[in-house]
Amino acid sequence: EDKVVQSPLSLVVHEGDTVTLNCSYEVTNFRSLLWYKQEKKAPTFLFMLTSSGIEKKSGRLSSILDKKELFSILNITATQTGDSAVYLCAGRGATNKLIFGTGTLLAVQP
Amino acid sequence: DTEVTQTPKHLVMGMTNKKSLKCEQHMGHRAMYWYKQKAKKPPELMFVYSYEKLSINESVPSRFSPECPNSSLLNLHLHALQPEDSALYLCASSHSLGSGETYEQYFGPGTRLTVT
Repeated sequence: EDKVVQSPLSLVVHEGDTVTLNCSYEVTNFRSLLWYKQEKKAPTFLFMLTSSGIEKKSGRLSSILDKKELFSILNITATQTGDSAVYLCAGRGATNKLIFGTGTLLAVQP
Repeated sequence: DTEVTQTPKHLVMGMTNKKSLKCEQHMGHRAMYWYKQKAKKPPELMFVYSYEKLSINESVPSRFSPECPNSSLLNLHLHALQPEDSALYLCASSHSLGSGETYEQYFGPGTRLTVT
């Protein structure tokens, strides 16, 4: 059965800290891994990774995929209170169905 | 423009009511999705439409009936729901499903449904 596991489940940091969120996956006919940020409502798309070893970067956020070891990490540097959210990782196989992990709840304290 | 809109934002309905949720996108996406999300849980896929045809139904009870009238609109018709169906219902869209292709899904803000 396909599954995506995220760790840690929750994390509390102070502004300015750097955090690393982990995502491991077992997805049949794996095609891509996606990261989303969810605050109060809809998940907001962050990154999609399809190739191993290539870092995607957007401002203070970056992500990389390791297809050999079946995991991805999301890094956030110089965290701000606005980064507080649930971060969801999802794997996609041959269909367009996304298999979501349970998410990491990040709280950034001032 | 990466906007998916959903109406209504909130809906309270009784178990005997019939209501509909609506979703719209104007990004030219040909795949649209319905997800259900319970509190503190990730989204769970319900239905996928590709080119206005139902391509995935994740064994959803028949009291949920999806409809895709055209490539920009997606409806979810609700009838005889149960209190445990109360959840955030999210719509998403992406470029078309294609062999070997992979596209990100963009989510709407959701409809918060309460069944009394």
